[in-house]
Amino acid sequence: EAGVAQSPRYKIIEKRQSVAFWCNPISGHATLYWYQQILGQGPKLLIQFQNNGVVDDSQLPKDRFSAERLKGVDSTLKIQPAKLEDSAVYLCASSFRRLPNEQFFGPGTRLTVL
Amino acid sequence: TQLLEQSPQFLSIQEGENLTVYCNSSSVFSSLQWYRQEPGEGPVLLVTVVTGGEVKKLKRLTFQFGDARKDSSLHITAAQPGDTGLYLCAGDSSNTGKLIFGQGTTLQVKP
Repeated sequence: EAGVAQSPRYKIIEKRQSVAFWCNPISGHATLYWYQQILGQGPKLLIQFQNNGVVDDSQLPKDRFSAERLKGVDSTLKIQPAKLEDSAVYLCASSFRRLPNEQFFGPGTRLTVL
Repeated sequence: TQLLEQSPQFLSIQEGENLTVYCNSSSVFSSLQWYRQEPGEGPVLLVTVVTGGEVKKLKRLTFQFGDARKDSSLHITAAQPGDTGLYLCAGDSSNTGKLIFGQGTTLQVKP
């Protein structure tokens, strides 16, 4: 069974530029998550989708971050414009069921904002 | 705000030693998970505990969920260099499937 795919793996941009990340979850997993992981910290949930609907985006900085999951499969996360403090690893995860919530993570995209 | 506090944050030990990592909160969790993350990779699920007082064993790893479901521990027996990584606990307190992660414990096992 293929795992969660993410691209790109690495991205370096300058502040105020825009960037987009892509995630393809495990086939059949209805729930998809985007996390931000700053170096030395645990992942922080940005947004949770159930199929193509948003379940929780309470910690998503909506003035600069946006995410969509068209057709309930792939998802993209966008940052526009980027700030220095956005430098982090962006992890995508998917799960088959909500309870218990056993999540499968992709390898992440390491973003560096200069 | 729900928080999961992990201790210690860093641990460097010799191969063959035993260690325990703790995960504590003032909140009650319906389930708690432990993940291991290697550099450049995403976290990988090790175990899920759902019942207060539950103990699960995975080879040399022993996981315990506190009776009150507010805390958990991970014990590694005879650590090996392959155990090196970031260990994360994560709890679901609201039965919504939303996980709160601790800040992680970085473990280094030297040969």
